[in-house]
Amino acid sequence: KNEVEQSPQNLTAQEGEFITINCSYSVGISALHWLQQHPGGGIVSLFMLSSGKKKHGRLIATINIQEKHSSLHITASHPRDSAVYICAVLNYGGSQGNLIFGKGTKLSVKP
Amino acid sequence: SAVISQKPSRDICQRGTSLTIQCQVDSQVTMMFWYRQQPGQSLTLIATANQGSEATYESGFVIDKFPISRPNLTFSTLTVSNMSPEDSSIYLCSVEGADDLGGTQYFGPGTRLLVL
Repeated sequence: KNEVEQSPQNLTAQEGEFITINCSYSVGISALHWLQQHPGGGIVSLFMLSSGKKKHGRLIATINIQEKHSSLHITASHPRDSAVYICAVLNYGGSQGNLIFGKGTKLSVKP
Repeated sequence: SAVISQKPSRDICQRGTSLTIQCQVDSQVTMMFWYRQQPGQSLTLIATANQGSEATYESGFVIDKFPISRPNLTFSTLTVSNMSPEDSSIYLCSVEGADDLGGTQYFGPGTRLLVL
């Protein structure tokens, strides 16, 4: 079993829909990252969370440490949101580079 | 924030040859990280590069295959040596933000490598 599991693996949505991507992990963590990877391969860091909730524009990320679960929400989705969204956790006590990555959720938003 | 550039952005190489990937950051950082993402897979950490010391390699990665240089606080190179088709991947450089975003990880645009 992978230490970081994401669901769904693939997601197709219509423009304007509310989208949720889930991440569950099985290790103790000190932080969780949500990353966005565009088709060309470049990665952008969206959020780093250690508790609670963060919001940036149409993106919202939440984390429940007790349940070892995080969600990424996209409100009013748009075709430009189409990308792979990756959840990554920093293992408790690990160096910042020692992230454990999920396999990603491929999102496609249709106009 | 940190802006990271990588060269080359992509390359097609013959097996048995070597390729050196460059990573440049617009600010001084202590640690730089090199990741590999094989097709359809999640990212895997290859090594951590500190300035002035040898890189620390993760299990399954060795210096002879992936030599790394870190000559200063803004630059690093990763060489993929004696390449085989299994080395076809995206290679990403990453740094940890040292500013008020403390702990945010920044990624380069990646180098897409195809080995024939």
